[in-house]
Amino acid sequence: AQSVTQLDSHVSVSEGTPVLLRCNYSSSYSPSLFWYVQHPNKGLQLLLKYTSAATLVKGINGFEAEFKKSETSFHLTKPSAHMSDAAEYFCVVSGENSGYALNFGKGTSLLVTP
Amino acid sequence: DSGVTQTPKHLITATGQRVTLRCSPRSGDLSVYWYQQSLDQGLQFLIQYYNGEERAKGNILERFSAQQFPDLHSELNLSSLELGDSALYFCASSASGGSYGYTFGSGTRLTVV
Repeated sequence: AQSVTQLDSHVSVSEGTPVLLRCNYSSSYSPSLFWYVQHPNKGLQLLLKYTSAATLVKGINGFEAEFKKSETSFHLTKPSAHMSDAAEYFCVVSGENSGYALNFGKGTSLLVTP
Repeated sequence: DSGVTQTPKHLITATGQRVTLRCSPRSGDLSVYWYQQSLDQGLQFLIQYYNGEERAKGNILERFSAQQFPDLHSELNLSSLELGDSALYFCASSASGGSYGYTFGSGTRLTVV
């Protein structure tokens, strides 16, 4: 079975400073990995996805993530946080053996302070 | 607008009742996935349909059932509702296996009183 572990439930950064949201995955197969964002009272929006192409994946709004097989990690980064980045972020894994259903991490709440 | 339509957006009902949530996938997508988001359980996969057939099952209770119709829209039926069923229910669709990406609807917020 595939799963992800988000290492921080809450992250707080100052506006203009870098963002790092950590995610480790567990998968017996070559996984597809995603980061989704959920703003308060909103639906889920795809930030980026890794599907065994380039290990450094660029997403929307300046976010990127690097797939590191040796570390089984897929951390999300952004060079400079904006106030509008405050939201809940989910690391997600899917794979063929689960019918490609998405398995979500528990989420990391990002707080951006002025 | 993501292209995935969920109705209703909000639903308030009493314990013991039955409700039906509806999802219309993005045009051309054959797979529909249902997810439940609650404070204590987080986002959990319930069930997947592909072109009318059940493809995968997650943590779906026996009181819950789903189906996908020939026009590819899907319905999630929740019966004998309990207070703990109060949650946000999301539907997502994908073209095929999902490695090409998923599109989520805006969800149905169910409140059981």
